[in-house]
Amino acid sequence: AQTVTQSQPEMSVQEAETVTLSCTYDTSESDYYLFWYKQPPSRQMILVIRQEAYKQQNATENRFSVNFQKAAKSFSLKISDSQLGDAAMYFCAYSRYSGAGSYQLTFGKGTKLSVIP
Amino acid sequence: NAGVTQTPKFQVLKTGQSMTLQCAQDMNHEYMSWYRQDPGMGLRLIHYSVGAGITDQGEVPNGYNVSRSTTEDFPLRLLSAAPSQTSVYFCASSRGTGRAEAFFGQGTRLTVV
Repeated sequence: AQTVTQSQPEMSVQEAETVTLSCTYDTSESDYYLFWYKQPPSRQMILVIRQEAYKQQNATENRFSVNFQKAAKSFSLKISDSQLGDAAMYFCAYSRYSGAGSYQLTFGKGTKLSVIP
Repeated sequence: NAGVTQTPKFQVLKTGQSMTLQCAQDMNHEYMSWYRQDPGMGLRLIHYSVGAGITDQGEVPNGYNVSRSTTEDFPLRLLSAAPSQTSVYFCASSRGTGRAEAFFGQGTRLTVV
């Protein structure tokens, strides 16, 4: 079974600083997709960034970027210029083909990020 | 622009009661799923559907039932509620491709006493 591991249950960062959240995954597949989702206190799940495994270039979305190391099965999220609104639970997720033309998401346990003013 | 709508947002049940969590999406997505979120456990897949009339089990299906009669709706039924089913439940929908973004409802906080 595929697993997603987030080894940091909680992290904190000073406002305007940079923080990196770690994620590793276990898979025997060569074609898959990786995501970071954000869950603020409102409970709403929001897509932050995604990465296709076949792409060597790391994905970037404004202040959010990833460091994707396929051989190491590592997918970390870097948040630059942290803002108070970045405080949330962050989930790493892995998407794999599950048959019948569909893909399933497997989530890590999450990292709670606090932003210190 | 509703997206994924879940009802109710909060619910308290007594042990042994049954109930249905409702989920509806207006994006014409074929793939819908139900997750439960427990502290320190992330989101775990309960059941999913790849289209009307087709459902399958996820990681933690016991005690739950689903059906998919239309593309829009995917209700989750708790057959006989147990305290272990106290959790936050999320419904999600997507186009079902590998890179597709999953759109989530606001969640239902269920407490079984």
